[in-house]
Amino acid sequence: GDSVTQMEGPVTLSEEAFLTINCTYTATGYPSLFWYVQYPGEGLQLLLKATKADDKGSNKGFEATYRKETTSFHLEKGSVQVSDSAVYFCALSDPSYGGSQGNLIFGKGTKLSVKP
Amino acid sequence: GAVVSQHPSWVICKSGTSVKIECRSLDFQATTMFWYRQFPKQSLMLMATSNEGSKATYEQGVEKDKFLINHASLTLSTLTVTSAHPEDSSFYICSASGGTGGTDTQYFGPGTRLTVL
Repeated sequence: GDSVTQMEGPVTLSEEAFLTINCTYTATGYPSLFWYVQYPGEGLQLLLKATKADDKGSNKGFEATYRKETTSFHLEKGSVQVSDSAVYFCALSDPSYGGSQGNLIFGKGTKLSVKP
Repeated sequence: GAVVSQHPSWVICKSGTSVKIECRSLDFQATTMFWYRQFPKQSLMLMATSNEGSKATYEQGVEKDKFLINHASLTLSTLTVTSAHPEDSSFYICSASGGTGGTDTQYFGPGTRLTVL
């Protein structure tokens, strides 16, 4: 079945460091891919998404490119800030998957801590 | 836009009682709402999907008689945990789709932390 695998954390970086959080997926169809962020004490927020191969999603300095050949959707940011400290979830939505229409399959989440 | 609220944000109840959690889409009509459960330091697990006016579709292993879902309108869905027990203690999160992001984008509520004593 469909699944999402993302790098385990926690990840600790200094401010202005480069960030990469790896995410790979398996899917039976042609999924849409998402990154969600969960700040401490808050719900998940959509960070960016891509709906087809080679699409690049970007928001708040973060970006991720839908790579069908490597089944990956790695999250990157060139210079992280303390305010980026949160848990990041990679997810996919596969309309051909036998689950509920539109439901998301999440990775386990990667906790990022950015130190000043 | 695309704001989803949940109420209450946290609740403590005695074993055997029932608890209702509300999920509202504040600025859009949600064609579909989803209920998730999140255990500490783990990912979200989908419990059920509900469409307005229809019975909810439950994921395998989720007891439909224990977790009652009602989707009465395009802006409100409720999850009732019936006869709650300590093992039901968890973080419950709802989401809604149907806003400007389309049907494949979900907008999440802030979650409800349930503690059953």
